[in-house]
Amino acid sequence: DTGVSQNPRHKITKRGQNVTFRCDPISEHNRLYWYRQTLGQGPEFLTYFQNEAQLEKSRLLSDRFSAERPKGSFSTLEIQRTEQGDSAMYLCASSATGIFEKLFFGSGTQLSVL
Amino acid sequence: QQQVKQSPQSLIVQKGGIPIINCAYENTAFDYFPWYQQFPGKGPALLIAIRPDVSEKKEGRFTISFNKSAKQFSLHIMDSQPGDSATYFCAASRRGGSEKLVFGKGTKLTVNP
Repeated sequence: DTGVSQNPRHKITKRGQNVTFRCDPISEHNRLYWYRQTLGQGPEFLTYFQNEAQLEKSRLLSDRFSAERPKGSFSTLEIQRTEQGDSAMYLCASSATGIFEKLFFGSGTQLSVL
Repeated sequence: QQQVKQSPQSLIVQKGGIPIINCAYENTAFDYFPWYQQFPGKGPALLIAIRPDVSEKKEGRFTISFNKSAKQFSLHIMDSQPGDSATYFCAASRRGGSEKLVFGKGTKLTVNP
């Protein structure tokens, strides 16, 4: 049994560069969520997918952020023209039909923008 | 506006003690209240959850107490162990939409041997 898998675990980039993160949810989970967590804070909702459809985006998700889930399985989160304020842990979670509220989280991708 | 307020920010207890972490929510539409446990470098892991139709739920050493009229809920950890040292987050969500979780700011628990 594999849980939610996120890659890479750590990413260091220079300001202005583009970065992309990948999330592989638990098999057969049709909902996938992206959250952001900064030091000393709780995770904050960014966006979610049901199958391949992106159904909601937070105001936190600026135009520089884009997420996709092309085949309803894995998802990618891209940040363009990174800023130092983007430094955070990016968490992915998935949930299953009938128990959508029970979110299972991955270990996250820690982004550091220098 | 913070929808879920959590306290205290940090908590230190001795082994065997009963730490209590409190949360208050504002949105009466919330109907699912989980607690997550997070260790450094890991994602949050679901610990226990409650719906507003019950006032208490126990799973092993973990108990949630829920007060619907006060819009408050709390986590009690019985016979705490050093391995329980972690950050605990309360959260809330509403069925029928995104079921996205709104998290509190977290409580860092330290259990001394």
